Amino acid sequence: AQKVTQAQTEISVVEKEDVTLDCVYETRDTTYYLFWYKQPPSGELVFLIRRNSFDEQNEISGRYSWNFQKSTSSFNFTITASQVVDSAVYFCALRRAGTASKLTFGTGTRLQVTL
Amino acid sequence: DTAVSQTPKYLVTQMGNDKSIKCEQNLGHDTMYWYKQDSKKFLKIMFSYNNKELIINETVPNRFSPKSPDKAHLNLHINSLELGDSAVYFCASSQGPPGDTYSYEQYFGPGTRLTVT
Repeated sequence: AQKVTQAQTEISVVEKEDVTLDCVYETRDTTYYLFWYKQPPSGELVFLIRRNSFDEQNEISGRYSWNFQKSTSSFNFTITASQVVDSAVYFCALRRAGTASKLTFGTGTRLQVTL
Repeated sequence: DTAVSQTPKYLVTQMGNDKSIKCEQNLGHDTMYWYKQDSKKFLKIMFSYNNKELIINETVPNRFSPKSPDKAHLNLHINSLELGDSAVYFCASSQGPPGDTYSYEQYFGPGTRLTVT
């Protein structure tokens, strides 16, 4: 069975602070895929990143960076110099390869960035 | 151009009614999905279709019936609505079949907030 744990229910930071959202996953598969999605207050779900299990390279995209560590089964997401527009619920998700695999979401972390 | 669109955005109805939610994607994707997001923001897959064929059918009451007239459309019909059906329903699409060795990201529609009174 697959499981994604986002232990941080809610995080509140002041603008310009750096913040890391934790994601820990469980799977018995050797090939799997990890994702991060953002859900701003407007409600839509926005795809941020996909990472394959065989690619442990970290990734940086502007103020966003992701740290994938298979040894600890973690795929953490860091926002540098946070901004008010980063306020949203962030979901980590896991999908195995194979027939009829489904996307398993974590429970989400609500990030509140204030001035 | 909207990639994945859903109608309606809001749906308020009474218990016992039958309602439909429509979804269309113009991304040329092969696979479409329906998800339910409850009041605690928990997202769970309901169905998945690949080229009009049902691929994933989670433990969902049979009052929910998806229909895919073509690979760009996936509609959700709900019979005999219950209070517990109140949620936000998201449609999504992705390239490739779910059984592919590679897993593409899913793109989500704006959601339909269903309120059953």
